[in-house]
Amino acid sequence: ETGVTQSPTHLIKTRGQQVTLRCSSQSGHNTVSWYQQALGQGPQFIFQYYREEENGRGNFPPRFSGLQFPNYSSELNVNALELDDSALYLCASSTGTTQGNTQYFGPGTRLTVL
Amino acid sequence: QKEVEQNSGPLSVPEGAIASLNCTYSDRVSQSFFWYRQYSGKSPELIMSIYSNGDKEDGRFTAQLNKASQYVSLLIRDSQPSDSATYLCAVSDSGYALNFGKGTSLLVTP
Repeated sequence: ETGVTQSPTHLIKTRGQQVTLRCSSQSGHNTVSWYQQALGQGPQFIFQYYREEENGRGNFPPRFSGLQFPNYSSELNVNALELDDSALYLCASSTGTTQGNTQYFGPGTRLTVL
Repeated sequence: QKEVEQNSGPLSVPEGAIASLNCTYSDRVSQSFFWYRQYSGKSPELIMSIYSNGDKEDGRFTAQLNKASQYVSLLIRDSQPSDSATYLCAVSDSGYALNFGKGTSLLVTP
């Protein structure tokens, strides 16, 4: 176990709805990264938050947004859900943004969009 | 486009044998390299990190890095059925985003 927690475990939504996923980072970690993993694919980087600021973003549209709170927990929000948003959403925490910082993953949230 | 390539497998090895997993990457400025193991339906679990050319050993696992050839590998000695999983290679140049390959499926047969 990494100490990174995510909620909920599973979620079913319909197309067009909005969803919020939550992540609590490992104790001592101030950086949270979010990834989307479609079936049979490797995780794809969505964005990273460091000290409550977005620190970098992958190739995802603006309807994917996030927050980081003073306790370093984080939320991923997805608006106007599409069928292709069905995936495993992974949160990873680390100690900072300098090179070499290892990211530890939470158990993930399985999102199904109908 | 920064590419990380892995053979999807499945790679099948008998119990007790050495499993060799390979990964190539396209971005020459990559500095950090990671191997994660992912069991079906679970999240990725870190096995090894490597930053310098050469070998790094941790128990039954050895990571090998060759930056000139843009190649990183993972050797698993004395493979066990419990090692059967998908192995993900991840590469980072920036310190924040991990760029993953699609993973290699490993099957260790008793």
